Amino acid sequence: DQQVKQNSPSLSVQEGRISILNCDYTNSMFDYFLWYKKYPAEGPTFLISISSIKDKNEDGRFTVFLNKSAKHLSLHIVPSQPGDSAVYFCAASAYGSSNTGKLIFGQGTTLQVKP
Amino acid sequence: KAGVTQTPRYLIKTRGQQVTLSCSPISGHRSVSWYQQTPGQGLQFLFEYFSETQRNKGNFPGRFSGRQFSNSRSEMNVSTLELGDSALYLCASTRGERPANTGELFFGEGSRLTVL
Repeated sequence: DQQVKQNSPSLSVQEGRISILNCDYTNSMFDYFLWYKKYPAEGPTFLISISSIKDKNEDGRFTVFLNKSAKHLSLHIVPSQPGDSAVYFCAASAYGSSNTGKLIFGQGTTLQVKP
Repeated sequence: KAGVTQTPRYLIKTRGQQVTLSCSPISGHRSVSWYQQTPGQGLQFLFEYFSETQRNKGNFPGRFSGRQFSNSRSEMNVSTLELGDSALYLCASTRGERPANTGELFFGEGSRLTVL
């Protein structure tokens, strides 16, 4: 049972435009959500997170939106740059931001930003 | 500050063998988690160790086991290897205790296991 789903395996965007990556979850116990980026031959690196008590969190070019009623979150990258080309993973925790190592990840979306 | 270190980076085994992977967390991090990444499945949580005790466990068979040492270094073992165990095994560390900032995990580069 896939509790966190990223239904788009890939996304292609022109440089300078907005990239929108989507993620759906089914477990209502999830109360903390994170996005990770992964380049080939490297481990995933943390991008941005959001608590379930918020509906938006911004960090530079990256903004995460959370719609609890729809159990949906999205990552917006504006403007997109070629260096953003990577696999993006959505992850969820049922432990808040309590520093547990247990996260439930989606399958990932491969973003390609074309120059 | 040194990052999370995993060894070996690549290894090839045959069915029925067993394998041990090692992970050294970031200094000061007491939680070590292991994840399996396969194409189309994303990262699947195996288990988490904190202060030498297994704190969380995923839905993997008993062939997958782990342990953590007093210096927080961790090993995971897979016995009786199957073809489906071919994957990238990622280790991640975090402080593992409050107060927490972002709850983020710090990942190593992974150990690529191929089972023939």
